[in-house]
Formats: sequence, structure tokens, C-alpha cells
Amino acid sequence: GAVVSQHPSRVICKSGTSVKIECRSLDFQATTMFWYRQFPKQSLMLMATSNEGSKATYEQGVEKDKFLINHASLTLSTLTVTSAHPEDSSFYICSATPGQGRPEAFFGQGTRLTVV
Amino acid sequence: AQKITQTQPGMFVQEKEAVTLDCTYDTSDQSYGLFWYKQPSSGEMIFLIYQGSYDEQNATEGRYSLNFQKARKSANLVISASQLGDSAMYFCAMREIGYGGSQGNLIFGKGTKLSVKP
Repeated sequence: GAVVSQHPSRVICKSGTSVKIECRSLDFQATTMFWYRQFPKQSLMLMATSNEGSKATYEQGVEKDKFLINHASLTLSTLTVTSAHPEDSSFYICSATPGQGRPEAFFGQGTRLTVV
Repeated sequence: AQKITQTQPGMFVQEKEAVTLDCTYDTSDQSYGLFWYKQPSSGEMIFLIYQGSYDEQNATEGRYSLNFQKARKSANLVISASQLGDSAMYFCAMREIGYGGSQGNLIFGKGTKLSVKP
């Protein structure tokens, strides 16, 4: 199947610092990628839709200045958690759909962020 | 608005037996897709099976089959011959399929934790 690679898989950072998470579609181009957040024992909640060459669309309640999304190419979207705080600790995961008649969304491996 | 409901927080199944994970959905869209994903403890989301709203036959992928009942708005996942490696969280999800095949984001249910007993 199609491959989406997310990096890093695990990161620990100090409160107040910023963390960048990369999401790459390795064998297809993705004009749209999605960023989700998952708290322990809960479901995935959409944070934002990343659009290549334009601004991301954020879900209600998600601070766009805190969670910066850049989708500069058809194969790369980045999520930067700025001025991270302990409450930002969570599992972040991206997805992309190959299109071309293939309906399924493929996910990156996810990033477990711990802010200390 | 779209909504996915998974009413089973946890399920147990004996190894080699079949198990059904329930999923009901609500949408006003005519064209949509239904998905099942497996999430092991590592956190990755593994695509299992897909059913389109206009597909007349139930989808099957190896040991996975989707029991699609459109009138009841249900899309249950059936896993046959359970294996110990099937122990994981299972999420039902749906997305709108718009004009020209454009696809929105996935809406997820709360998930069902499946435990396979040896």
C-alpha cells in the first residue's frame, strides 16, 4: 500500500520550546494532508487540514498560532508545536490519501510528544 | 453532521473464533466511504477494509469482512479465525466523498479494544 512516513516517532521537549513534526508521502503526491491528535484511550480528533500551497484549515478550538502547519510541497507537511506546554503532550498523527480512485487514507507512524 | 458510534468499548474473543465489532453511522450525504482501522499499542493506524456507500456487495479483505447494512446505517467488522496478533484497538471511520471524487477528512468512532485469548 501507499506509504506515509512521520518523523520523529517520539520526542521529549522542555516547556516553552518548539517541536517540528514532519509528515511525508513517500510514493504519491498529496495536495491535502490531515493532522490528528489522540489523547490516551481516546479516538483521533482532527486538528487541521493541510493544503499544499495555501493556508491550513483549522478545526474549531485549535489555536493556529500554536500549531503551525506548513505544506510547502506535494509530499511534505509539517506541524510545529510552538511554545509547548505539558498540556500539549499527546499523540499526533498525520494522514494522506493517494487519490486516483483509491479511497483509503494512509497514516504516518505517529509522534508521541512529551513536554516536561 | 457525520457521526460514528461504536458501542463496544472492549471485546474478548477466543483464539480461532470469529468476532463482530459493531459500528453505526449517521450522515446526510449520499456518497460516503466507510473504513476500519486497527491501532496496535505502537500507535500506528493500519487500514483494514473499505466500503463505499454505493457498493452493493459487502467488502472482504482476507480474514476481514464488512457487514454493510445501508438502511440500518451499520458497518460492522467481522474478523474470522482470530489470532493473538489481532489484539488491538479498532476504529470505524467515515468520510464524505464529494463531487469529482474529492474526499474530506475521516470521522472516527471511539474505538473498540479487542483482546484475543489463547
